[in-house]
Amino acid sequence: EAGVTQFPSHSVIEKGQTVTLRCDPISGHDNLYWYRRVMGKEIKFLLHFVKESKQDESGMPNNRFLAERTGGTYSTLKVQPAELEDSGVYFCASSQDLKHLSYNEQFFGPGTRLTVL
Amino acid sequence: KNEVEQSPQNLTAQEGEFITINCSYSVGISALHWLQQHPGGGIVSLFMLSSGKKKHGRLIATINIQEKHSSLHITASHPRDSAVYICAVSNGMEYGNKLVFGAGTILRVKS
Repeated sequence: EAGVTQFPSHSVIEKGQTVTLRCDPISGHDNLYWYRRVMGKEIKFLLHFVKESKQDESGMPNNRFLAERTGGTYSTLKVQPAELEDSGVYFCASSQDLKHLSYNEQFFGPGTRLTVL
Repeated sequence: KNEVEQSPQNLTAQEGEFITINCSYSVGISALHWLQQHPGGGIVSLFMLSSGKKKHGRLIATINIQEKHSSLHITASHPRDSAVYICAVSNGMEYGNKLVFGAGTILRVKS
């Protein structure tokens, strides 16, 4: 079974440009999470999809960030326009929707390292 | 103050030593997660626990719900254990199982 994949692995862009990150979750996983680690800080939650619906986007830093999950499969995270402070590693994770459990394991992608110059 | 605190931030050990990494949290949780990230690698889930103790090979994770504290132990440490170990908590009932992370512990095991 394929794991969570992310594309690209690295992206270097200039301030003001647009970047789109993609995440392909494990097939059949309804839950998809985006997280971000900026330099020197802990990983922080950005948002959570259940299928194609945004369940929680309380961690999105501002309206320059737009996440979509069309059809409930892969997800994209667009940053437009990018700023210097957006640099960091963006992780995606997915999990099954196990309604009989109050917790379930998340499987992480390898991350996308974004550098904004 | 972060909701999840880990200690130590950095740890250097000699091969064969017994290692303990600690994690304290200040929020209600459904589960506590221990994650591992090797240099240049992705994040891998080691344990997910809500009570008691779990063991996998040389790794042992314990949690004390009353004290809001967890420990990750590595017995007979090996250089391949060198990685960042991250504690995270989730609360499925209220927060959709999103993870709240500690800052991580950078472990280096020397041969």
